[in-house]
Amino acid sequence: GAVVSQHPSWVICKSGTSVKIECRSLDFQATTMFWYRQFPKQSLMLMATSNEGSKATYEQGVEKDKFLINHASLTLSTLTVTSAHPEDSSFYICSANDRDTEAFFGQGTRLTVV
Amino acid sequence: GENVEQHPSTLSVQEGDSAVIKCTYSDSASNYFPWYKQELGKRPQLIIDIRSNVGEKKDQRIAVTLNKTAKHFSLHITETQPEDSAVYFCAASVEDKLIFGTGTRLQVFP
Repeated sequence: GAVVSQHPSWVICKSGTSVKIECRSLDFQATTMFWYRQFPKQSLMLMATSNEGSKATYEQGVEKDKFLINHASLTLSTLTVTSAHPEDSSFYICSANDRDTEAFFGQGTRLTVV
Repeated sequence: GENVEQHPSTLSVQEGDSAVIKCTYSDSASNYFPWYKQELGKRPQLIIDIRSNVGEKKDQRIAVTLNKTAKHFSLHITETQPEDSAVYFCAASVEDKLIFGTGTRLQVFP
């Protein structure tokens, strides 16, 4: 199957700093990628749809100025958590679909804000 | 928007027994329904999926059924094994966007 790679797998940052997470489709082109957040013992919640060459589409309740998404190429989307706070600590995971609609997930990024 | 409900939240079965997890969705435009198994700290792993033009699909010990009229779909695992213990999520997809159910923690006791 297709491969989606996410980096870093874990990161610890100080409160008030920004963190960038990368999501790459390694063997296919993805005009659309998706970003999810998962708190402990909860489900994956869709945050936004990343669109190559245009603005991301954010789900209701997700602050677009806090979670900056850039999709500058057909194989790379980035999520930047700006001015991170402890409540932003979570598991962030991206996905991209191949032509058959199946979603392929990155490994996920465990963000801890101290 | 789409809303997916999943039951039960926890399920304990004896090894060899069957396990059934049920989901309902709200958006009739949803056309793709995958099921994922997720282990702690890992990415979701697709175990089976079904599209809206199919009523049932089976893969060895795992089967999924879909009732489009009632907007519900179910995961059936037969002959459960301890290694089936994990958290399972259903999802519904509209325009490639996945909306996940709340998850079911399955425990299979030897």
